[in-house]
Order: sequence, then C-alpha cells, then structure tokens
Amino acid sequence: QQQVKQSPQSLIVQKGGISIINCAYENTAFDYFPWYQQFPGKGPALLIAIRPDVSEKKEGRFTISFNKSAKQFSLHIMDSQPGDSATYFCAAGTGGTSYGKLTFGQGTILTVHP
Amino acid sequence: GAVVSQHPSWVICKSGTSVKIECRSLDFQATTMFWYRQFPKQSLMLMATSNEGSKATYEQGVEKDKFLINHASLTLSTLTVTSAHPEDSSFYICSARGLAGLMNYNEQFFGPGTRLTVL
Repeated sequence: QQQVKQSPQSLIVQKGGISIINCAYENTAFDYFPWYQQFPGKGPALLIAIRPDVSEKKEGRFTISFNKSAKQFSLHIMDSQPGDSATYFCAAGTGGTSYGKLTFGQGTILTVHP
Repeated sequence: GAVVSQHPSWVICKSGTSVKIECRSLDFQATTMFWYRQFPKQSLMLMATSNEGSKATYEQGVEKDKFLINHASLTLSTLTVTSAHPEDSSFYICSARGLAGLMNYNEQFFGPGTRLTVL
C-alpha cells in the first residue's frame, strides 16, 4: 500500500517534444506529491510538487496533473531540451507522525535527442 | 537557500573499517533528516529517519547496529557505516526537512550524495 508505481522506465523524446511520466499510488493518506530530477552522480533536486486539493500545477515548462479519484499523477515537460536528459522520480508523502517521509517511484530515464 | 551538503563526496575504504558520512543543512535548521541508499540505475531506498536529539527510526531490513545515525544538532546528521563490506558499496544520500511553518512542511532538500566503495 506504500508503493508508488512509475512508468515508463525509460523515455526518448525529440527536442521540442513533450515528455510525459506517470505515477500511481494506493495509499489515500498521501498528501504531498513531488517530482525530483537527478543527474548522474548527483542528489535529487525538487522540480515541482502538488497537493491533492488542486488538479494541476504549472511551473515554467513543467506541469503536474493530479487525478485524486484515480490516484494518479503525472509530470509533463513541454518543449523538452537535451539538458532535460536525466532520471526523474515521482514521490508521495504524508506529514504527521511520519515526519514527511517520502516513498519514491522507480524512476524514469529521460533522453532528449537534439 | 535550502542547501544541504554532504562530506565526503566519495570515499574508498578497506573491508572491515568504519566510514562516517556527514550531512549538513547550510542555511536552515532541519528538525528531520533522512538517509537514503541508491544502487546504480535504481530508485532511492529510505534507510532511516533522524530527528534532532532523538534516536533514529530505521526502515525494515536496515541494520541499526551497522548503520549508526546521529543527529546531534539542527544542522548536522551523521551516518556511520560500521565494519563495512563490499556489499555496502553504494551511493548514500541525505535529505533535510525544515522547521514547520518556515518552509513547506513536507519539502525535502537533498544533499549531493556520497559514493562509498568498499574494497
């Protein structure tokens, strides 16, 4: 019930295209859904995050779409650039006694071809 | 703002020795710090949750006597891998969560990671 399932495992997109990564969760107690970007040999960096009281959040070229009833959320990267090539992780977390512990998806390796 | 550092960035040690990794929040106070382990091309696996001034909470399957965690202040947590063996070789990453009310209460800021290689 604590799992977060992420797909696809890898994604290849042409420069200027849209990259879409999907995640699904089971635990309805999750109330925080961040996306992280990780480059090889580096720690993850927060890209964008959403709470379940909104269905969409946009920051620059990055958009999270959230479907509470389906327990799914996705990351859309518009106008994908070669510099976006990295591994992307979705995560889900709760506050309260779990101290904000995050459960991570399996990761998606994004490659943007020039 | 919200910078987390780790030291060292990489370490090579002999089997049987102990290695200490430091995690510092540089510009904010972190009530909670988390330690993760990541194998190549895999996701982050949470090892333990560390709260300042109290004992760490370890995830199932993580040996607390092998991975010693100390969170002595609001800006420093340490992970000590005791009697390291080659199977402990991995990328260790910490994250820090700020004080409630001052930052998004769930937002975690990650360090750059420490590459441990045990020979």
